[in-house]
Amino acid sequence: GAGVSQSPSNKVTEKGKDVELRCDPISGHTALYWYRQSLGQGLEFLIYFQGNSAPDKSGLPSDRFSAERTGGSVSTLTIQRTQQEDSAVYLCASSAKGQLSGNTIYFGEGSWLTVV
Amino acid sequence: KQEVTQIPAALSVPEGENLVLNCSFTDSAIYNLQWFRQDPGKGLTSLLLIQSSQREQTSGRLNASLDKSSGRSTLYIAASQPGDSATYLCAVRSGATNKLIFGTGTLLAVQP
Repeated sequence: GAGVSQSPSNKVTEKGKDVELRCDPISGHTALYWYRQSLGQGLEFLIYFQGNSAPDKSGLPSDRFSAERTGGSVSTLTIQRTQQEDSAVYLCASSAKGQLSGNTIYFGEGSWLTVV
Repeated sequence: KQEVTQIPAALSVPEGENLVLNCSFTDSAIYNLQWFRQDPGKGLTSLLLIQSSQREQTSGRLNASLDKSSGRSTLYIAASQPGDSATYLCAVRSGATNKLIFGTGTLLAVQP
């Protein structure tokens, strides 16, 4: 596709359940990012993948959160034992190179997660 | 720790006015700064990217400036239109990391 694609666009889950969120970056983009945006809050960095390098996981809020990127393309963010405070929009983004090169970062439309 | 602040938090202007949105950051050691817009229920759309060595970037009615030493950036919107109504976010790439640190945004409403 032409842009960053995320699925599902909306997810309602019960507290304690696990959820998986998927991101398809722009074709050819080697850098992939996950951010979280809670209601009324700014964007919070979660994790960053660049090529085959070890991911920067420094933003993951707890060990219930994990992410992987298979084949250098599609990424999955997994939240285990969801809590109500996990309710947020999860945004994925990609860029042609690592952001240190200055390339523009492109965002998907997000996965809206509601934990009830 | 880098902190990014945007003022004002919300702004309402009549159509046709020129306006300025402000972004300030606490650590001047940045690689670049990017302005985004976010429409309700949507993701972020990149507007302008300014490298640390640049002073400004222009795209159509938008002009973004960067003053690294004072830790400030402005986004100037000329001849505002109702379609410009959105939340505007600035983000800085700080130090030797790959994280974009975002401000909390300015909610702009352009009244027809």
